[in-house]
Amino acid sequence: ILNVEQSPQSLHVQEGDSTNFTCSFPSSNFYALHWYRWETAKSPEALFVMTLNGDEKKKGRISATLNTKEGYSYLYIKGSQPEDSATYLCALGGGYQKVTFGTGTKLQVIP
Amino acid sequence: DAGVTQSPTHLIKTRGQQVTLRCSPKSGHDTVSWYQQALGQGPQFIFQYYEEEERQRGNFPDRFSGHQFPNYSSELNVNALLLGDSALYLCASSLVSALGQKNSPLHFGNGTRLTVT
Repeated sequence: ILNVEQSPQSLHVQEGDSTNFTCSFPSSNFYALHWYRWETAKSPEALFVMTLNGDEKKKGRISATLNTKEGYSYLYIKGSQPEDSATYLCALGGGYQKVTFGTGTKLQVIP
Repeated sequence: DAGVTQSPTHLIKTRGQQVTLRCSPKSGHDTVSWYQQALGQGPQFIFQYYEEEERQRGNFPDRFSGHQFPNYSSELNVNALLLGDSALYLCASSLVSALGQKNSPLHFGNGTRLTVT
């Protein structure tokens, strides 16, 4: 069984604060690492898919890094806004492999 | 460009009954995966269909079965429903060509909320 672990489980930050979450996974047999944002009453939306060790991706105020040798990825949000409130899911796999999700980090940004 | 569509949005069934959930993938996508999302958990992988065949399967009993049609749409069937099958069922599509694209993200539908009483 592939364990994808995310921390923290939940997080409350003030508007304007920067924050980051962690995704940990087994470093062997790495294929691809996904990050998704899941807002209430909507469907999960892909943020990034990373495949190479050292990959860094950025989308507006959100960025992610990947370390496949030690088995972790960080997601950073700079200057959090209320609209960033969502559950952030990390997942491993892709292509012909099944995509296995972690339990997510629930972010609440307080205005 | 239509995204992933699922039907129905909500469903209430009784223990022991059977249910069929439907999914149409995003235009241009060829692979459909099904997930079960219970409260407090991340989406749990049920199975993946590509070229009308089940390619990968998660740790779900044989009561869970599926099908993919030539137009890439898919169905999830659950027989002999249990109370524990109550969950949000998500369908996700992706493009996985013969080259096995690594960086193809999943595109999700809004899900079907199944309640078993």
